[in-house]
Amino acid sequence: SSELTQDPAVSVALGQTVRITCQGDSLRSYYASWYQQKPGQAPVLVIYGKNNRPSGIPDRFSGSSSGNTASLTITGAQAEDEADYYCNSRDSSGNHRWVFGGGTKLTVL
Amino acid sequence: EVQLVESGGGLVKPGGSLRLSCAASGFTFSSYSMNWVRQAPGKGLEWVSSISSSSSYIYYADSVKGRFTISRDNAKNSLYLQMNSLRAEDTAVYYCAREGGSIAALASWGQGTMVTVSS
Repeated sequence: SSELTQDPAVSVALGQTVRITCQGDSLRSYYASWYQQKPGQAPVLVIYGKNNRPSGIPDRFSGSSSGNTASLTITGAQAEDEADYYCNSRDSSGNHRWVFGGGTKLTVL
Repeated sequence: EVQLVESGGGLVKPGGSLRLSCAASGFTFSSYSMNWVRQAPGKGLEWVSSISSSSSYIYYADSVKGRFTISRDNAKNSLYLQMNSLRAEDTAVYYCAREGGSIAALASWGQGTMVTVSS
């Protein structure tokens, strides 16, 4: 199986830009998806594919990828963006499993 | 609107069993692969199991293989997770999640049901 690695915590000043990264071998074969999770709530998909946002997700959220690293960028972070963010992708072992990163706690200062 | 509602969680002793259910509505359930994902208290997300739209393909995380069984009833728009030989480390919120069809992601999630394994 493969693993996805995320920084445990990141902070950003209100209105500034922040990038959250995710590294793993599976990202050489599959795009990462990104999920936002606020305390006591279920995860919500915010980015999928090359750089796609589900309906209702603000356009300040964007995604990118290079080699074995995927990134989630929030341009002009808002107080309501404070949350845990998880990346995930298919397992590169070809066994159709999903794998998640350990999550990044984003603090908006 | 897609809705996924989990039920069946609770307190169970180590070695015990529990069956979780997920009632789906707002979409054509029989057209989508479904998943169970869990989150231990204060921890990250862990994929548990997935099942294809017609139940032809089923996959499990190594941590639950041989103990958990995923199934679905497309006539009842329902997903299930039979959990046997439960361990303390299975304590978590269990979410059902729908795959996105053409979207390689877990597009929709339920609110989760808590499973506590403790003596």
